[in-house]
Amino acid sequence: AQRVTQPEKLLSVFKGAPVELKCNYSYSGSPELFWYVQYSRQRLQLLLRHISRESIKGFTADLNKGETSFHLKKPFAQEEDSAMYYCALSGGGADGLTFGKGTHLIIQP
Amino acid sequence: EAGVAQSPRYKIIEKRQSVAFWCNPISGHATLYWYQQILGQGPKLLIQFQNNGVVDDSQLPKDRFSAERLKGVDSTLKIQPAKLEDSAVYLCASMRTYGPQYSGNTIYFGEGSWLTVV
Repeated sequence: AQRVTQPEKLLSVFKGAPVELKCNYSYSGSPELFWYVQYSRQRLQLLLRHISRESIKGFTADLNKGETSFHLKKPFAQEEDSAMYYCALSGGGADGLTFGKGTHLIIQP
Repeated sequence: EAGVAQSPRYKIIEKRQSVAFWCNPISGHATLYWYQQILGQGPKLLIQFQNNGVVDDSQLPKDRFSAERLKGVDSTLKIQPAKLEDSAVYLCASMRTYGPQYSGNTIYFGEGSWLTVV
């Protein structure tokens, strides 16, 4: 069975500090990993995916197959980063997503 | 392009009543998903359609939940009879899986329909 674990329900950091949101997964095969973000009163939206290897809004995430992790990082947090962050995996193609429980990130001024 | 549209946004019903949610995906998106998100949890896939056919409904509680996408565009999710534990946000999502504007497997979500069962 596939599973996504986000160990932190809540993460609070100060503006300008580094941020790391943890995500671990279990999947028998080669999954596709994603980070979705939900800002206050907005819909869930894709932040980034591992196959793109891109940086969005200063965030990056590297897939570590050995540790089955896909942690989200940003070197300098900004107040507008405050949101719910969900890690998700897919078997590829049009497969539906399996989500973690989410981490609520709060950036303090 | 217009986003995924859902209605109603909010619904309060008594247990054992029925409710239906409607979803209009992004134009041209062949794949449509319904997710259930209970407070404090991540979304859970209920059912996936490819055009008007069901691809995956393994997590749909079929004794009370049903969904259809008769013409391969709009979709309806129904709950009958509702239980207290069905209180959740029901998210519709869509993805373009073929065509000249194929954007990889980016799934776009609607704003959700909030259901409270009392």
